[in-house]
Amino acid sequence: KQEVTQIPAALSVPEGENLVLNCSFTDSAIYNLQWFRQDPGKGLTSLLLIQSSQREQTSGRLNASLDKSSGRSTLYIAASQPGDSATYLCALNYGGSQGNLIFGKGTKLSVKP
Amino acid sequence: DAGVIQSPRHEVTEMGQEVTLRCKPISGHDYLFWYRQTMMRGLELLIYFNNNVPIDDSGMPEDRFSAKMPNASFSTLKIQPSEPRDSAVYFCASSLGIGGPREKLFFGSGTQLSVL
Repeated sequence: KQEVTQIPAALSVPEGENLVLNCSFTDSAIYNLQWFRQDPGKGLTSLLLIQSSQREQTSGRLNASLDKSSGRSTLYIAASQPGDSATYLCALNYGGSQGNLIFGKGTKLSVKP
Repeated sequence: DAGVIQSPRHEVTEMGQEVTLRCKPISGHDYLFWYRQTMMRGLELLIYFNNNVPIDDSGMPEDRFSAKMPNASFSTLKIQPSEPRDSAVYFCASSLGIGGPREKLFFGSGTQLSVL
């Protein structure tokens, strides 16, 4: 069974700190992986998409890495800001169809001013 | 583009009533997805369409749920009759297609459904 785990479920850090969010998966035969951000009462916003052939993707202060051999992806947030407070979810695509996305339950991040 | 538009934002209904959720995907996107989010189960795919054709509805909980996409700019998710355990946030999402960045998903703001 394909499972996606995000630990911890919640994380609180002071503003300015660099942090890493973790996503682990049991089946490494992925097609691609996406990291999403969800604000309270809102939908999900795609942050980064990593193809299975890639090791990492960067967007501004965000860097996502993928290590299929260890079944792990990380989302690195540099110089965190209160505006980064949200729930971050990873989603794995198994196969060539978008319908096979498996979502983790997310890590709720709180950045304190 | 206004993004994926869902309506209503909130729906409160009584058990047994019919509920219809609506979605307008981003223009030009060939794929449309309906997801359900609960605290217990997280995000679950219910059904998805490619070029208005349902491709996989294996996530639809039971026959009380049905979805249609009569044209490229409109889709509905209907629950009849509704039950309290259907209470959740229902999201619609769309994407350009298959391959690389085209697979980036764009979500609507969701419909918060409460069945009393």
